[in-house]
Amino acid sequence: EAQVTQNPRYLITVTGKKLTVTCSQNMNHEYMSWYRQDPGLGLRQIYYSMNVEVTDKGDVPEGYKVSRKEKRNFPLILESPSPNQTSLYFCASSLSKGGTPTGELFFGEGSRLTVL
Amino acid sequence: RKEVEQDPGPFNVPEGATVAFNCTYSNSASQSFFWYRQDCRKEPKLLMSVYSSGNEDGRFTAQLNRASQYISLLIRDSKLSDSATYLCVVITGYSSASKIIFGSGTRLSIRP
Repeated sequence: EAQVTQNPRYLITVTGKKLTVTCSQNMNHEYMSWYRQDPGLGLRQIYYSMNVEVTDKGDVPEGYKVSRKEKRNFPLILESPSPNQTSLYFCASSLSKGGTPTGELFFGEGSRLTVL
Repeated sequence: RKEVEQDPGPFNVPEGATVAFNCTYSNSASQSFFWYRQDCRKEPKLLMSVYSSGNEDGRFTAQLNRASQYISLLIRDSKLSDSATYLCVVITGYSSASKIIFGSGTRLSIRP
């Protein structure tokens, strides 16, 4: 079954304790992206990756890191989480045509993160 | 000005009604357009692509107006299950310069 898998789905942590949210897709998609969603602000892009070893900042990259060592995985790293990073996070992937994402995004089920 | 703008709603309409909402985009060079649906606390899912010639999928019709830079979604004979947030998505640029931009969504609530 084609899917994007995120883990953990729910996490409560404390300020400053490094954490990683994993994202894996089984569709051989080139494009992957992380979003956070907060009430009234919609989906905001954190980082995206056009392909292996190619990552770029989105609109709200501060406080986050990513890596793309393999095509299927795109982990999101919070080195020192703060309460303002409490949010619902989504990973998404898409095929690309000629290096441009098609826009038909497949999303993971989301990871609800609370930082105390 | 936001690159992609939507009326946040909520639109509260009776079952069976026809409802339409628009999404405007600022970059005239945008090349691809989509509507996504998001249920409460769930992930967004692709509803339909939007083409210049317009496209229809059952009760749903999507249109693109390049001259006025907006896309629209029309839902006919609305059902209770259509209650959701509808997100418009615009792609601008090509290759490494491409951007996928989400609108902040329009909430639709269908009442019995």
